[in-house]
Amino acid sequence: GAVVSQHPSRVICKSGTSVKIECRSLDFQATTMFWYRQFPKKSLMLMATSNEGSKATYEQGVEKDKFLINHASLTLSTLTVTSAHPEDSSFYICSAREMGRPYNEQFFGPGTRLTVL
Amino acid sequence: AQSVTQPDIHITVSEGASLELRCNYSYGATPYLFWYVQSPGQGLQLLLKYFSGDTLVQGIKGFEAEFKRSQSSFNLRKPSVHWSDAAEYFCAVGDDMRFGAGTRLTVKP
Repeated sequence: GAVVSQHPSRVICKSGTSVKIECRSLDFQATTMFWYRQFPKKSLMLMATSNEGSKATYEQGVEKDKFLINHASLTLSTLTVTSAHPEDSSFYICSAREMGRPYNEQFFGPGTRLTVL
Repeated sequence: AQSVTQPDIHITVSEGASLELRCNYSYGATPYLFWYVQSPGQGLQLLLKYFSGDTLVQGIKGFEAEFKRSQSSFNLRKPSVHWSDAAEYFCAVGDDMRFGAGTRLTVKP
């Protein structure tokens, strides 16, 4: 149980295009989903927290117009990197918190490798 | 401010040797504490977690961790390391899952 998937697992795009990454909770309902970014050999940086049906809360320094987050249902959140540039190349990981589960445990997806040429 | 520190960037141990990875935190109250492992190019797998109760926590793959309030630490241990344990290990703290910088574990044959 408590499986989170991400699609695609890796994507290569041209500079200036937009890329959408999906995060799905497969066997539970997630009231809250989180998006992280991980640079090579670095830790995970929390980008934003999204609650189903409301606007995402972005961490300081994260451009909300650049990284659009939509959490339209209890099992799906999407991250759209708009007008991507090479510096947006990174490993993006989502996580989901199950509705009603105590102690705020998060379940992580396998990550999406974005390469912007 | 909440923070978590993993003092060791890289640790190398011989296969079969014991392992301890350090994690220190700064937090206002007893935090939620987690250890995750990440293999190259992969997502994170939860090894163990501490919320309350017994301060010695058993996890998967033979790992354990001990919460020491007096030292603000939650160190990860394993009595005998296997080659497959080579990976990046992250300590995380709190409701909003603040991550440490990670410790890369190399296992020598």
